[in-house]
Amino acid sequence: QSALTQPASVSGSPGQSITISCTGTSSDVGLYNLVSWYQQHPGKAPKLMIYDDFKRPSGVSDRFSGSKSGNTASLTISGLQPEDEADYYCCSYAGTATFWLFGGGTTLTVL
Amino acid sequence: QVQLQQWGAGLLKPSETLSLTCDVYGGSFSYFYWTWVRQPPGKGLEWIGEINQSGSTNYNPSLKSRVTISVDTSKRHFSLNLTSVTAADTAVYYCARVGGDPGQSDAFDIWGQGTMVTVSS
Repeated sequence: QSALTQPASVSGSPGQSITISCTGTSSDVGLYNLVSWYQQHPGKAPKLMIYDDFKRPSGVSDRFSGSKSGNTASLTISGLQPEDEADYYCCSYAGTATFWLFGGGTTLTVL
Repeated sequence: QVQLQQWGAGLLKPSETLSLTCDVYGGSFSYFYWTWVRQPPGKGLEWIGEINQSGSTNYNPSLKSRVTISVDTSKRHFSLNLTSVTAADTAVYYCARVGGDPGQSDAFDIWGQGTMVTVSS
């Protein structure tokens, strides 16, 4: 099964909001409420930012929010800050043959 | 606070077997799946496989023929073996916990520090 589709890059200015999309199929993103989002700074391990489509782990800023419509999930970051500049990956459960699929990743640049 | 500490050989020759282990400190070792994810240099994340305390495993179909994940609950660690490695297996390998809401395995919520594994003759 193919990886989930994300834009290669997005950018925004401090204080603005941006949205990163993650498109899958009716066999993964569209079927299960198990989309998660990860933030990765250079040379660091990924960090869980959103799980179960829209839930935030304890300690994650409420500037990060997740949503989903059909086969496309989205991560929105509001009030952009310089430290938000990182790579972001989506991930979805895809059933008992494929299990977990990642997106190709999106590089966020805070201008 | 749960921490994952991973270790293993970082330089391999083609056809050798990659072996990594992830020690789990703090928290419960039971009730979770434990997983391996890799990231080739400059590229995205790829899920390798997962295991629970009972030894039940799930693998990425594209790697299944070469991957074995095992668990030792007495030592609170789980391990990854990947056979017949090639240059394409060069990557940072991460261990992680599959957690989420209590009792659920919904996302990779705690990660190890990563181990760079290079395959080169």
